[in-house]
Amino acid sequence: DMVLTQSPDSLAVSLGERATINCKSAQSVLYSYNNKNYLAWYQQKPGQPPKLLIYWASTRESGVPDRFNGSGSGTDFTLSISSLQAEDVAVYYCQQYYKSLHSFGQGTKLEIK
Amino acid sequence: QVKLVESGGGLVKPGGSLRLSCTASGFSFSDYYMSWVRLAPGKGLEWVSYIRTSETTMFYADSVRGRFTISRDNAKNSLYLQMNSLRADDTAVYYCARLGVDGGIPHALDVWGQGTTVTVSS
Repeated sequence: DMVLTQSPDSLAVSLGERATINCKSAQSVLYSYNNKNYLAWYQQKPGQPPKLLIYWASTRESGVPDRFNGSGSGTDFTLSISSLQAEDVAVYYCQQYYKSLHSFGQGTKLEIK
Repeated sequence: QVKLVESGGGLVKPGGSLRLSCTASGFSFSDYYMSWVRLAPGKGLEWVSYIRTSETTMFYADSVRGRFTISRDNAKNSLYLQMNSLRADDTAVYYCARLGVDGGIPHALDVWGQGTTVTVSS
């Protein structure tokens, strides 16, 4: 399995401030054939299924607020929330779908400071 | 409305078996790869398996390979997960999810069911 390592494991940010979560893959997830990074970001709130936020590392899913942004390429990726809202409290996961055995990062718990 | 509904969860003894089902509606099920993902208590998301549209190509996480079998019936718009030799560490909420398609390329999990709970305990 390809290992994805997120940092930090938990994060407390003040309302209106920026939150940044990192994801590092053990191998590159950039597919040279189409120049796409096979990496996604999800948000999961307690008692709810995960919600897709970002795919191809930086493409925002329809309906996702533009304060959520994904960046990075190759092995290093970042999810940024530009102005934290109360409803953003959740656990965030990165996932690679480059290899046939898809895998998730361990998750980052985001709280309000 | 695009929807996935899981069923079949429950309490099972270690070594036992269970079959999960996921019924899809609101989209052309046969055109999409499908996946199972689980969330164990106090843990993070774990990818379990996925199956391509053809019903004959599937992949498994190392933790379940040889014990779990994913399958689909495109005529019934249904996805399944046969779980054998269950262990306590298989206890989790199991989600079925659809792999989205962008320009003909399958990508991330864009539609999720609400999940079904599997508890393995004596």
